[in-house]
Amino acid sequence: SQELEQSPQSLIVQEGKNLTINCTSSKTLYGLYWYKQKYGEGLIFLMMLQKGGEEKSHEKITAKLDEKKQQSSLHITASQPSHAGIYLCGADYTGNQFYFGTGTSLTVIP
Amino acid sequence: EAQVTQNPRYLITVTGKKLTVTCSQNMNHEYMSWYRQDPGLGLRQIYYSMNVEVTDKGDVPEGYKVSRKEKRNFPLILESPSPNQTSLYFCASSWTGGYGYTFGSGTRLTVV
Repeated sequence: SQELEQSPQSLIVQEGKNLTINCTSSKTLYGLYWYKQKYGEGLIFLMMLQKGGEEKSHEKITAKLDEKKQQSSLHITASQPSHAGIYLCGADYTGNQFYFGTGTSLTVIP
Repeated sequence: EAQVTQNPRYLITVTGKKLTVTCSQNMNHEYMSWYRQDPGLGLRQIYYSMNVEVTDKGDVPEGYKVSRKEKRNFPLILESPSPNQTSLYFCASSWTGGYGYTFGSGTRLTVV
């Protein structure tokens, strides 16, 4: 069963455009994490959200967690080719097992 | 440099020939985990370990073995690899499950 659903599966945007990736959990999260993966490489930790309503930003990337702690969004402002890759959300429910979403493949066209 | 080191990066093997993928971390992390990544299925957890001598099955443990004799090492063993184990494998470590996960660079395994 898929604990985390990500949408969209893939995204192609023109450089400079804003975009949003969503991550929905089937149950309340203990912690929600965002990672970026360059194709075929390891994952890079971006941000972690734990509190309902929390919002964090790093450079042009902003992540939010809803009040119910079941949905998160990742927003990129003024996208650049360096933002291209696969974005994955991850969820910690129990502190032991960790689940990943299926990922969103982002292509930024110069 | 803090890192998780996986070896080998690429491996082509034949069905049934036992293999081990090594994973080592230098951050003194207690939690280590193995994932496989397949198109359309995302990252799925194979096994994880909360500490030395403590290992647990993840979502897809069949056909794999692990051991955690030392804190820094967490090898993945395929006793009798089959073609359906062709995948991209990642080792990861953290202080607790997920928080600040550090990932290895991946091992691309092909079983023919």
